[in-house]
Amino acid sequence: KAGVTQTPRYLIKTRGQQVTLSCSPISGHRSVSWYQQTPGQGLQFLFEYFSETQRNKGNFPGRFSGRQFSNSRSEMNVSTLELGDSALYLCASSLGSLWTGSAYEQYFGPGTRLTVT
Amino acid sequence: AQKVTQAQTEISVVEKEDVTLDCVYETRDTTYYLFWYKQPPSGELVFLIRRNSFDEQNEISGRYSWNFQKSTSSFNFTITASQVVDSAVYFCALVGVFGKGTRLSVIA
Repeated sequence: KAGVTQTPRYLIKTRGQQVTLSCSPISGHRSVSWYQQTPGQGLQFLFEYFSETQRNKGNFPGRFSGRQFSNSRSEMNVSTLELGDSALYLCASSLGSLWTGSAYEQYFGPGTRLTVT
Repeated sequence: AQKVTQAQTEISVVEKEDVTLDCVYETRDTTYYLFWYKQPPSGELVFLIRRNSFDEQNEISGRYSWNFQKSTSSFNFTITASQVVDSAVYFCALVGVFGKGTRLSVIA
């Protein structure tokens, strides 16, 4: 079974630009979550999508948004990039939503390393 | 608000030593799930274990064992007879809330 794939793997952008990251979950998984990983803050939850609906959102500004398609693939968009947005962005898929009665384990992709200059 | 604390930032052990990684959590939920993940160097996070709040039995999987104690809100992870391949960052999580991780270095 193929794992979680993320594209692109590396990205360099300039302040003020916007960026779109893509994630393809494991086949059959309907939940996709996004995380930002930095040395200082660690892994921080951005949001989760399940069945094309955002189920939960972390404490990030509105510049961070996402969506999920009917095939469960997900995209994350960051607008008006800031230097502080430089990070590894991880996507994780799971069979069901994290925030239901039975939390599912997550399977992570390799991440997209975003550098903002 | 939920919170996970991994007080040990970095641990270094010599191969074959036992090592315990601490995890303390905070939640107001009566039903909750705890997880451990491993992130090897330049690698992807890998799921290790899931535990729900109603199951306080300790779990052992090979050289890995987990001790869950609701009374102290802790979910500690022990590696017995550590090996170089165990070198990684280990994360404890309360569903989508992750601790900052403990970097374990096992020296040959």
